Amino acid sequence: KQEVTQIPAALSVPEGENLVLNCSFTDSAIYNLQWFRQDPGKGLTSLLLIQSSQREQTSGRLNASLDKSSGRSTLYIAASQPGDSATYLCAVPPLTTDSWGKLQFGAGTQVVVTP
Amino acid sequence: DVKVTQSSRYLVKRTGEKVFLECVQDMDHENMFWYRQDPGLGLRLIYFSYDVKMKEKGDIPEGYSVSREKKERFSLILESASTNQTSMYLCASSLSWMGRFISTNEKLFFGSGTQLSVL
Repeated sequence: KQEVTQIPAALSVPEGENLVLNCSFTDSAIYNLQWFRQDPGKGLTSLLLIQSSQREQTSGRLNASLDKSSGRSTLYIAASQPGDSATYLCAVPPLTTDSWGKLQFGAGTQVVVTP
Repeated sequence: DVKVTQSSRYLVKRTGEKVFLECVQDMDHENMFWYRQDPGLGLRLIYFSYDVKMKEKGDIPEGYSVSREKKERFSLILESASTNQTSMYLCASSLSWMGRFISTNEKLFFGSGTQLSVL
C-alpha cells in the first residue's frame, strides 16, 4: 500500500523567506501528485497537480517538483507572506484497480509565516 | 468557478439521531467523495461515488451510508449518530477516475466542510 509522508509536521518562517515543503511516497509508480492548502476549519484547495511525466509544475509563486525515482515531491513557495500560513497536504492516487477513488493523503505540514 | 457546496458549516446533533450531510457540485463531475478529518488521523475516506446510484466503500464506511440520486448531489447519512462520529466532514468531487485517466482534469475539489458535534 502506498504511504505518503510529510516532514516536518510544522514549520515557522519569517516573512520574505522561501518555503520548502517535502512530500515522500513509498511506491514510485504514481500517476500524479497533488498539493493542497487547508486554512484552519476550512476545506482543502487544490494548488498544483503534477503528472508523472512532468518534473515541475508552476503557478505564480508556487513551484512543485517531482522526482519519482527517489519518491519525493517538493513544494516551493517563493517570498513567503503571512497569508501563506496554512496547512499544506500532498496526495497521490491509488495504483490498483481495487483502490479506485482512494487518494492517499499525507498528514500535512502546518506553516506559519511571521510578519 | 468550480464550486462544491456543503449544506451546513456547523451542526450539533444528539446521540442516536439520524443525520444527513448534503453536498452539491456544479461542475458536472462524475466522482464525488466523503472524507472525515480528525486531528492526528488525517483525512480518511468514508464513501465515494463514480456515477448516479453507484457507490463504493472507502476506508471507514461503518456507521455511514450514502445516497446519490442525481449527479450533482451526494449525501452522507449517519443512521444513528454516536459521539465518535464527531468530526470535520469534507465533501469533494472530481471529473474523472483518480489515476485512471492521465489528464489535468483529475484535480480534486473540496467543499468548505461541516463540523459535526454529536452530544
